[in-house]
Amino acid sequence: DIQMTQSPSSLSASVRDRVTITCRASQNIGSYLNWYQQRPGKAPKLLIYAASSLQSGVPSRFSGSGSGTHFTLTISSLQPEDFATYYCQQSYSTPYTFGQGTKLQIK
Amino acid sequence: QVQLQESGPGLVKPSETLSLTCTVSGGSISSFYWSWIRQPPGKGLEWIGYISSSGSTNYNPSLKSRVTILVDTSKNHVSLKLSSVTAADTAVYYCARRLYSSSSRWFDPWGQGTLVTVSS
Repeated sequence: DIQMTQSPSSLSASVRDRVTITCRASQNIGSYLNWYQQRPGKAPKLLIYAASSLQSGVPSRFSGSGSGTHFTLTISSLQPEDFATYYCQQSYSTPYTFGQGTKLQIK
Repeated sequence: QVQLQESGPGLVKPSETLSLTCTVSGGSISSFYWSWIRQPPGKGLEWIGYISSSGSTNYNPSLKSRVTILVDTSKNHVSLKLSSVTAADTAVYYCARRLYSSSSRWFDPWGQGTLVTVSS
């Protein structure tokens, strides 16, 4: 199985901060990398697919980059509704696997 | 706009079979792949498996011996059966549509999820 490792596991930040979350794959996955946001008690929501493509309806302050084994999710200016848990997910090969999550909290 | 809704018993006894249904509305189940994903309370996400609209399946090896995913295109349903459950199978179960391009595959949308507790 491909292991996905996110860092940090948790992060405290303030509104209007710029934050970056990193995701590393245990082997080359090309651009088969997606990012999801999960608010408490809610289902995950797709933010970024194919490493850098912004899902329709997602604010442009979210961006993704990377390829191969190293990926990042950046939020350019945090808004109150962005405090949530973020997961990366590889779809290069089955079993599809997720990172352990990064919990973004208000400082 | 496609919407997914999971349904089924919220409580299952140990050693019994968990059975859930995902109802797809606002669009056809045909020509897409449909996945089940679960999340134990307070933990991360685990992909269970997927099925195509024609019935081809792919399961997580960690669950393969106990999982069956079926599709009923006439009812726009996808179902999940997980046998011989234990407390470790307690989780929120999500269904999701799998989309793809030439360079990736992703899950969108997701259902709201349903909590299944395994307990006697």
